[in-house]
Amino acid sequence: DFQMTQSPSTLSASVGDRVTITCRASQNIDIYLAWYQQKPGKAPKLLIYKASNLESGVPSRFSGSGSGTDFTLTISSLQPDDFATYYCQQYNSILRTFGQGTKLEIK
Amino acid sequence: EVQVLESGGGLVQPGGSLRLSCTASGFAFRNYALSWVRQPPGKGLEWVSALNDRGNSPFYANSVRGRFAVSRDNSKSTLYLQMDSLRAADTAVYYCVTSYATGDGSFDVWGQGTVVTVSS
Repeated sequence: DFQMTQSPSTLSASVGDRVTITCRASQNIDIYLAWYQQKPGKAPKLLIYKASNLESGVPSRFSGSGSGTDFTLTISSLQPDDFATYYCQQYNSILRTFGQGTKLEIK
Repeated sequence: EVQVLESGGGLVQPGGSLRLSCTASGFAFRNYALSWVRQPPGKGLEWVSALNDRGNSPFYANSVRGRFAVSRDNSKSTLYLQMDSLRAADTAVYYCVTSYATGDGSFDVWGQGTVVTVSS
């Protein structure tokens, strides 16, 4: 099975900061990596698919990169609405797996 | 509007059974694979099961294989998850998801979730 490891688990940052979250796959997943944002009590929302493609309607301050086993999600300038939990997910295998999540907190 | 709506959650005793439903609207249900994803209280997301468009190729996470069964009725635009031999560890919000606009397997459509609680 593919294992996905995110880091850090928690990230404290301020409005306007540039932040990066990393996700590492246990095996090569090509570019089949998605990033989701989840706010308390809400369903997750797709941000990035195929490692670097921005989902329709998602602000351009979000970007993704990587291929193979190492991936990053970058938020160029944090906005108040961005404080949430972020998950990566591989879909190279039909047995999808998520990372454990990164909680982005206000410093 | 493209939507999926889960139902059927509730409180069940350990060892019991429950059937979840996911009713879709706004898109050609019969043309899409769907999955179930769950989230235990205060924890992360776990993919549970997937079913192809024709309903003849199911897949399961190791944690539920042999206890859960996914099926669909394309005439009713509905996906089901039959959950048997339930355990406390199955307590979670269960989401129905699909890859609609992206079409590549990433989940761009999520329901609001239905809560399953396994407790005596």
